[in-house]
Amino acid sequence: KAGVTQTPRYLIKTRGQQVTLSCSPISGHRSVSWYQQTPGQGLQFLFEYFSETQRNKGNFPGRFSGRQFSNSRSEMNVSTLELGDSALYLCASSLLGESPYEQYFGPGTRLTVT
Amino acid sequence: GQSLEQPSEVTAVEGAIVQINCTYQTSGFYGLSWYQQHDGGAPTFLSYNALDGLEETGRFSSFLSRSDSYGYLLLQELQMKDSASYFCAVRALYNFNKFYFGSGTKLNVKP
Repeated sequence: KAGVTQTPRYLIKTRGQQVTLSCSPISGHRSVSWYQQTPGQGLQFLFEYFSETQRNKGNFPGRFSGRQFSNSRSEMNVSTLELGDSALYLCASSLLGESPYEQYFGPGTRLTVT
Repeated sequence: GQSLEQPSEVTAVEGAIVQINCTYQTSGFYGLSWYQQHDGGAPTFLSYNALDGLEETGRFSSFLSRSDSYGYLLLQELQMKDSASYFCAVRALYNFNKFYFGSGTKLNVKP
């Protein structure tokens, strides 16, 4: 099976702009989670989608949003970018029910805001 | 709420054994997982404990004690390539099965 893919891998944006990141989960995985990781920080949970519905949301401002399509692919959007949004954004997919403890991560999108 | 505590950094020499602890405060979860992340890379799944006790996978072992709200990852015969960050994580039984990660432990393996 192909792994989780994320596009783009690297992105440079300017403050005030918006950005959309894409994630394609492993085939058959219907749960997709997004995380933000900054240097020295752990994985900060953004949100999780399952069957096109947001199941969970972390403590991030409304500038961070996401969605999931019928084929389980997911996108996250950050509007009005701030310097502090510079981070590695990781997407992870998992199977609910069969192996709920295991997530498969994509390579991430490294976003730099200048 | 849910929280998982790990030491921020651990240093050990090549060939040695190191234990990375994870203490948690959570109510109801499927089990304790461990992930490895090399600098610049994505986290990869290492092991999982659904039940109390020790699980062994090659040089890595993981332990869980639900009664003590405690788990650890044991790495034996350390190699330089084991230098990475290690995260413990749980998936809640309730709260929409949300994932919770510890803050991570950076392991430095020295020759």
